[in-house]
Amino acid sequence: AQSVTQLGSHVSVSEGALVLLRCNYSSSVPPYLFWYVQYPNQGLQLLLKYTSAATLVKGINGFEAEFKKSETSFHLTKPSAHMSDAAEYFCAVSDGSSSASKIIFGSGTRLSIRP
Amino acid sequence: NAGVTQTPKFQVLKTGQSMTLQCAQDMNHNSMYWYRQDPGMGLRLIYYSASEGTTDKGEVPNGYNVSRLNKREFSLRLESAAPSQTSVYFCASKTSTGTYNEQFFGPGTRLTVL
Repeated sequence: AQSVTQLGSHVSVSEGALVLLRCNYSSSVPPYLFWYVQYPNQGLQLLLKYTSAATLVKGINGFEAEFKKSETSFHLTKPSAHMSDAAEYFCAVSDGSSSASKIIFGSGTRLSIRP
Repeated sequence: NAGVTQTPKFQVLKTGQSMTLQCAQDMNHNSMYWYRQDPGMGLRLIYYSASEGTTDKGEVPNGYNVSRLNKREFSLRLESAAPSQTSVYFCASKTSTGTYNEQFFGPGTRLTVL
């Protein structure tokens, strides 16, 4: 069965500092991995997804994630945090690509940005 | 192109009351999903519909029923609301064409059961 673990329910960084949000996955098949962002009082929107074409995946708003099979990780990074990055971030893994496949979400990491 | 829409945005119920949450998507997606979001627990799948005419239980289906009315619409019903069902409910949809398909989410319904 697929699962994801997000390390740290709350991360706080200074504006301009590196953002690192950790995600480890468990999957018995090649994983379909995603990062979503949720701004306050909104739904989730896709930041980026791993498609096996490249291990370093670039997403929106300057975020990127690196797929490391040996470490079963898909950590999200951004070189320089901006105040607008304050949100909750969810790592997710899909159990397949068919119409019946489901996405399993991690418990989320809330990112705060200090001025 | 509105994407995924949900109604209502907010709802307050008394214990034992019933209600239906509505969801519609205009992206011609085959699969639709209902989640609940509670603090510290991420999103938990309630029910999903892989295609029109099919529905299946997710992780937390107790106390809920669903109807896939047509390809566009997927409703969630609470027959007898309980305080434990106070949550934010999200509907999502996904195409089944191709691979690595992400889900698209609606804005959510905030439900409080007193």
